[in-house]
Amino acid sequence: AQRVTQPEKLLSVFKGAPVELKCNYSYSGSPELFWYVQYSRQRLQLLLRHISRESIKGFTADLNKGETSFHLKKPFAQEEDSAMYYCALKDRTGANNLFFGTGTRLTVIP
Amino acid sequence: EAGVVQSPRYKIIEKKQPVAFWCNPISGHNTLYWYLQNLGQGPELLIRYENEEAVDDSQLPKDRFSAERLKGVDSTLKIQPAELGDSAVYLCASSPSQGLTDTQYFGPGTRLTVL
Repeated sequence: AQRVTQPEKLLSVFKGAPVELKCNYSYSGSPELFWYVQYSRQRLQLLLRHISRESIKGFTADLNKGETSFHLKKPFAQEEDSAMYYCALKDRTGANNLFFGTGTRLTVIP
Repeated sequence: EAGVVQSPRYKIIEKKQPVAFWCNPISGHNTLYWYLQNLGQGPELLIRYENEEAVDDSQLPKDRFSAERLKGVDSTLKIQPAELGDSAVYLCASSPSQGLTDTQYFGPGTRLTVL
């Protein structure tokens, strides 16, 4: 069965410090991984997906199949990065449904 | 573009009452999703539509929940009767299709409180 684990409910970093939001997954096949973000009073939106291999708002995430991880990283956190971040896995066979982790609330301290 | 529209944004009802949520997806999006998000949790899929067909409703509690997407555009999710444990945010999302690379676009959600 699919499972996405985000071990940190809350994460606080100082502005300008590096940030890493952890995501581990359990899936028997070859998954597609995403990071979604929800800023205060805004709707959930896609931040990035592993197949795109792109950097969005300075964030990157690398799929590590050996460690079954997809950690989100940014070298220098900004105050506007404060938000709720969800890691999600898409089942690439059959239903193509999204499975979300429980989320990590990132607070960037000025 | 307005994005995915949901109404109402907030709803407070007493237990055992019925409630309905409405969703209008982005124009041209064939796939529509309803998610349930409990406090402190990530969204969980309830049902997925391809046009007017419910292609995955395996997580929908069918004893009290029902959904429809007549004409393959907007959709309604209903709970009857509501229970205290149904208090949550109900999210609607849409995508152009269910392809592997299609992004899901989420609505603002409906926050339900059952008293």
